[in-house]
This record gives sequence, C-alpha cells and structure tokens, in this order.
Amino acid sequence: DSGVTQTPKHLITATGQRVTLRCSPRSGDLSVYWYQQSLDQGLQFLIQYYNGEERAKGNILERFSAQQFPDLHSELNLSSLELGDSALYFCASSSGATSTDTQYFGPGTRLTVL
Amino acid sequence: GQNIDQPTEMTATEGAIVQINCTYQTSGFNGLFWYQQHAGEAPTFLSYNVLDGLEEKGRFSSFLSRSKGYSYLLLKELQMKDSASYLCAVAPYGQNFVFGPGTRLSVLP
Repeated sequence: DSGVTQTPKHLITATGQRVTLRCSPRSGDLSVYWYQQSLDQGLQFLIQYYNGEERAKGNILERFSAQQFPDLHSELNLSSLELGDSALYFCASSSGATSTDTQYFGPGTRLTVL
Repeated sequence: GQNIDQPTEMTATEGAIVQINCTYQTSGFNGLFWYQQHAGEAPTFLSYNVLDGLEEKGRFSSFLSRSKGYSYLLLKELQMKDSASYLCAVAPYGQNFVFGPGTRLSVLP
C-alpha cells in the first residue's frame, strides 16, 4: 500500500459525458501527478500540481483539466468523453516538486467509455 | 527530447537470473528509476540510480552507465510473483518523468 488513494476504482460511462477522478496523496507529500495508461501503452504523463499550483503539463488534452485543493487532494476532470479515453488513470505523489523525487502511485481508476 | 527503449517481452525460469535492459537518449537527467507493475495494478518503486554503478537491494539490483546511455535491472532467484512489467523512467533536468514502454517478464515454473 503506497498511501496514495484514488476513487472511484472503476467508472463506466458513455461518450460525451463528463467524469471526475479523485486522488489523495501520501501524508506529507505536496506534489500530485496524473498519468494515463491505455491498453498496451506506456504511462503517459498528463499534469503535475505542487502545493496547489500547476507545476508541469504533459500530453493533456484540452478536454481534460485538473486542480489541487488546499488539503492537497486533487481531481482530474475529463469531459466530452470519447471511446479512446478508456484507460487506467493513475495518480502519484511525491514529497518535493522536482523529478528527483520518487513518485508513489495510487491503485488507479479504470475508466471505460461506451 | 527523450527516447527510451526496452525489450517488449522476456521469459525466464523460476530460480534463474534475468537482466532487463533500458537504453535512453536524453540530453541530461537527474536519475533513472525502475518500477514494477503487475497487470492492472499500480507501478511500485524498485530503485533509483543517480551515479554510475550498481545499486543492490535484496534480489533486485540496478545498474547505470551515463556515458553509455544504458541501465539494467537484474532480478535474481526469480519467483513466480516476479511476473510483471518492469518500467524504467528517466528524470530529465527541469522536466517530469519519462517512462519507457516497459518489459513484460514471464516467469515459468
């Protein structure tokens, strides 16, 4: 158990809908990262927040947005969903802001878009 | 940019030793990480190399050569539970992790 929690574990929805994924980092960690992992694909970095501020952006679509709240939990919002958005979405946390810090991953949310 | 290569699949026998290679092209990076990921589960941290050389952690060791753009993960005394994907990731200066495609290891009895 990494100490990172994500909800929900599974989500099934239809094309065109909007969903929100939630992540709570490990106690004491200030950074939250979001990743997408599609079937047979590697982990794709989406976005990082550090202490409430956006820190880095990866291959995140304009239909996707995220935020980190004062209590450091984070939410990833996915809108106008398409079939291709079906994937595992992982959240990770680390203590610092930089890429030298080990990232600890949550169990993931499996999103299925029908 | 960064380009990371790993073999797609490997097979080994229980009790054996296996070496999983990772080659990368990047202009500069802080360190190289290895993660283990069982199918459908979260990646879990295995090791972090900053300096060239071998880091040993129980049955797992990781090696880095910056001059050769090369790392490997060595798994000894393989167990069935080691069947998983192994991901290497580089941490480029000023940027976030870039993960390799992963190597799917199957351990056979």
